[in-house]
Amino acid sequence: DAKTTQPPSMDCAEGRAANLPCNHSTISGNEYVYWYRQIHSQGPQYIIHGLKNNETNEMASLIITEDRKSSTLILPHATLRDTAVYYCIVRVRSYNTDKLIFGTGTRLQVFP
Amino acid sequence: KAGVTQTPRYLIKTRGQQVTLSCSPISGHRSVSWYQQTPGQGLQFLFEYFSETQRNKGNFPGRFSGRQFSNSRSEMNVSTLELGDSALYLCASSLDRRQANTGELFFGEGSRLTVL
Repeated sequence: DAKTTQPPSMDCAEGRAANLPCNHSTISGNEYVYWYRQIHSQGPQYIIHGLKNNETNEMASLIITEDRKSSTLILPHATLRDTAVYYCIVRVRSYNTDKLIFGTGTRLQVFP
Repeated sequence: KAGVTQTPRYLIKTRGQQVTLSCSPISGHRSVSWYQQTPGQGLQFLFEYFSETQRNKGNFPGRFSGRQFSNSRSEMNVSTLELGDSALYLCASSLDRRQANTGELFFGEGSRLTVL
């Protein structure tokens, strides 16, 4: 019951911006979009999240379309250490549940 | 501040055995959830515990169970192990929903189970 779809892989040159797209056309109005990344089977690492406004932190920016059916994660200056699998996730939260629904992720390869 | 701690990190079992995995959440976090990661199925939600109560469960057979203690530490158990149970089992913790409108789930490094 994945709620997100992502391209399976992308390449990016070191120092350039990496733009990772995600479709979540069935997202509900109160469900947040989260991005995590996973480096070589370590635990997933939180990157950023948002509801409907664009968000920016020290790691990345998140651009969410006005209709909330898609979003883009932007790594402004990719480095070799950003090579990882990036997951676009819908977080389902209510009084009696709190879970992440993972998609299949995008494997980002940053090359020199 | 210590992160989410999972033990053991690696373990090998044989079919039919049972296994117990442990997770210590970040101090102050009361919600603990478990995920299974396999090459074929990716990351899948197992269950979530909050204040010692299982609040939600994913689509897994009854062989998969868990519990949470009063100090928020959690364990998950898999009985009658099958080859397909070989996976990375990840635990994540987060703040009490009632206190935080949103917030990250912090993941541990996982317990890698191999069933022979």
